[in-house]
Amino acid sequence: DGGITQSPKYLFRKEGQNVTLSCEQNLNHDAMYWYRQDPGQGLRLIYYSQIVNDFQKGDIAEGYSVSREKKESFPLTVTSAQKNPTAFYLCASSNPSGGAKDTQYFGPGTRLTVL
Amino acid sequence: RKEVEQDPGPFNVPEGATVAFNCTYSNSASQSFFWYRQDCRKEPKLLMSVYSSGNEDGRFTAQLNRASQYISLLIRDSKLSDSATYLCVVKPNAGNNRKLIWGLGTSLGVNP
Repeated sequence: DGGITQSPKYLFRKEGQNVTLSCEQNLNHDAMYWYRQDPGQGLRLIYYSQIVNDFQKGDIAEGYSVSREKKESFPLTVTSAQKNPTAFYLCASSNPSGGAKDTQYFGPGTRLTVL
Repeated sequence: RKEVEQDPGPFNVPEGATVAFNCTYSNSASQSFFWYRQDCRKEPKLLMSVYSSGNEDGRFTAQLNRASQYISLLIRDSKLSDSATYLCVVKPNAGNNRKLIWGLGTSLGVNP
C-alpha cells in the first residue's frame, strides 16, 4: 500500500539530547513537510522540501534540522537548542506536478515528550 | 487578523442534524482551499477540496465565497462517526510555493 510512515509513534527524550524523527513515503511525491502541533494550536510548519537535496525553513525552524538526500525520506532532528520540544510531530507529502498538487497527505505522527 | 479563522466550537449536535462551519481567510489572492478532518490524537485527513463552483461528496457540501473571503462546510444527517475536529486550510499564494495555512479547527460532537 502507498503511504507515509513515521517512526517511532512515541518518543521520550531527556533534556539536552538530540533526537531524529523518521518520515518515509512511497507515494513518489516530490514535496515533503514537517509540522508540529501543540494542544489548542494549529499546525505550524517547521521545514519543507520541494525536491531532493533542497529544503526551506518554515515558520518555526529554530532548534530543528532536516535533510533530503532521497526522495522517499525526510528525517527531522530535534536538537537540544529547541526550547520546548514536547509536541505532536506530523510529516506530510504532496505531489506538486499532479492534479491535486496542493493536497498534503500525512503520516500518523510522532509524539515526542521531553523528560 | 489571522490568516485563517474558524469558530473553535465545540458544536454539539444530535444524530441526524445538519451542521455548518464557516472559515474566513485574509488573503484575497488565495488559490486553493481544503477541509481536513482530524480525530483525537490522530493525523489530519483530507475531507474535500473546495472548488469555486462548490462541491458535494455524499453528506458533505463545501462552498467558496471569494467576494466575502470565506469557505463553508455543511454536514447533513450527522453520524456519530462525524465527531472530530474540522480544519480549514488555505493556500495563500500562486506559483511554486506549496505552503498551506491551517486554521485551528472546529470541534464537532455528534450525540446519540
